[in-house]
Amino acid sequence: GQQLNQSPQSMFIQEGEDVSMNCTSSSIFNTWLWYKQDPGEGPVLLIALYKAGELTSNGRLTAQFGITRKDSFLNISASIPSDVGIYFCAGHRTGGGNKLTFGTGTQLKVEL
Amino acid sequence: NAGVTQTPKFRILKIGQSMTLQCTQDMNHNYMYWYRQDPGMGLKLIYYSVGAGITDKGEVPNGYNVSRSTTEDFPLRLELAAPSQTSVYFCASSRTSGSIDEQFFGPGTRLTVL
Repeated sequence: GQQLNQSPQSMFIQEGEDVSMNCTSSSIFNTWLWYKQDPGEGPVLLIALYKAGELTSNGRLTAQFGITRKDSFLNISASIPSDVGIYFCAGHRTGGGNKLTFGTGTQLKVEL
Repeated sequence: NAGVTQTPKFRILKIGQSMTLQCTQDMNHNYMYWYRQDPGMGLKLIYYSVGAGITDKGEVPNGYNVSRSTTEDFPLRLELAAPSQTSVYFCASSRTSGSIDEQFFGPGTRLTVL
């Protein structure tokens, strides 16, 4: 089965820095989603993108739906300690029910 | 509103034992899902259900069974546990009305098979 490739796999940044991560696929998706998983918890939805080229913000988070529909990007500005966790992208295809294909995850660690 | 709840939180099984992972949601969602998460990997779909009485296989269904007798509950059954089933299991639910809808996840069950 397909999994989406996320990079970087992990990153260790200073508090206050901006963060960028991306997610790529060999095939097209119609919807891209970004989830965050805190340690010991289930993933929680951060941002959903529905159109190619769409740029959507949620507080300090900004995500983009790639023009080719095969990739998506997530940026976090001015990182804070509570941004620590694993960030997953997920893709959905029309006609796929509500089934999602998840990425491999980017683990973010923030140094004070 | 508790959302999606899962029990147990942790479990250790011996090879060949069986167990049921419980999942309940109180949001009246039609769709429910079971995923497994292995270290360094994303979530892989095991089984899903679009409503009571209807279930279907996901990407990695072998070694598991599910049932959906009510809207609220979606238990996952392991009949003959194997070390390859050591993983963290997440249950999720969504409302969905034909377009993509947010999936709400439970806190997970960490299973070790020795």
